[in-house]
Amino acid sequence: GAVVSQHPSRVICKSGTSVKIECRSLDFQATTMFWYRQFPKKSLMLMATSNEGSKATYEQGVEKDKFLINHASLTLSTLTVTSAHPEDSSFYICSATGMIGYNEQFFGPGTRLTVL
Amino acid sequence: GIQVEQSPPDLILQEGANSTLRCNFSDSVNNLQWFHQNPWGQLINLFYIPSGTKQNGRLSATTVATERYSLLYISSSQTTDSGVYFCAVGNQFYFGTGTSLTVIP
Repeated sequence: GAVVSQHPSRVICKSGTSVKIECRSLDFQATTMFWYRQFPKKSLMLMATSNEGSKATYEQGVEKDKFLINHASLTLSTLTVTSAHPEDSSFYICSATGMIGYNEQFFGPGTRLTVL
Repeated sequence: GIQVEQSPPDLILQEGANSTLRCNFSDSVNNLQWFHQNPWGQLINLFYIPSGTKQNGRLSATTVATERYSLLYISSSQTTDSGVYFCAVGNQFYFGTGTSLTVIP
C-alpha cells in the first residue's frame, strides 16, 4: 500500500511554455501533499504544502505565480510551471501523507523537467 | 524553517563494514523519517521514527527527540546500500543535507 504516482516522469519543453505535473495517491486519501525541487547532487528543497480544497502554502522565496499548485481532491495534486525558463529545469518530486493517525510521508518517483 | 544537518556528508565503506549516519535538527519535531534515494531518484522509506528505536533487517534507527538528533545504523553493508541517505523532519518534512554512501566490494 501507500503508493504515490507522478506523471509525466520526464518532460522537455520550450522556453515560455507551461508544464503540468500530476501527483496521485493511488491507494490512500492524501490530506496533505508536498512539492519538492531537487538540483543535481543537492538535497530536496520544499516548495509548497497543499491541503485538499485549500490554497497551497508556499515556502519563502518560491514564486506562487510561477509554480501553481492545485489540490483538487484527496488523491490528486498538480504543479504547473508557468512560462518555463531554462532555470526552471530540475527534478520535481511530490509526496503525500494522510493515513489516519500516522504521518509517514510517501514519495512519488519524480519528474525531470528540461526547459530548452 | 527547521535547520537539519546530516553527517558525514560523504562516506566510503568496504563491503561488510558497519556505519552510523547522524541527523541533527534545530527544533523539537513530531515527525522524522529516514530515506534512501536510489540512482534513479526514487526516495525509498526506511523508517518513520519521531522517537525511540526501530530495526528492519540490517538497518536500525534511533531518535532522541529531547536532544534533537537521530541516528541510522547500517550493518554488514552491501554494494546495493550505495546512494544518498536523507532524514526529513517537522510537519513540513524539511530535508537534511544528505549523506552520500558508497560501498565498494
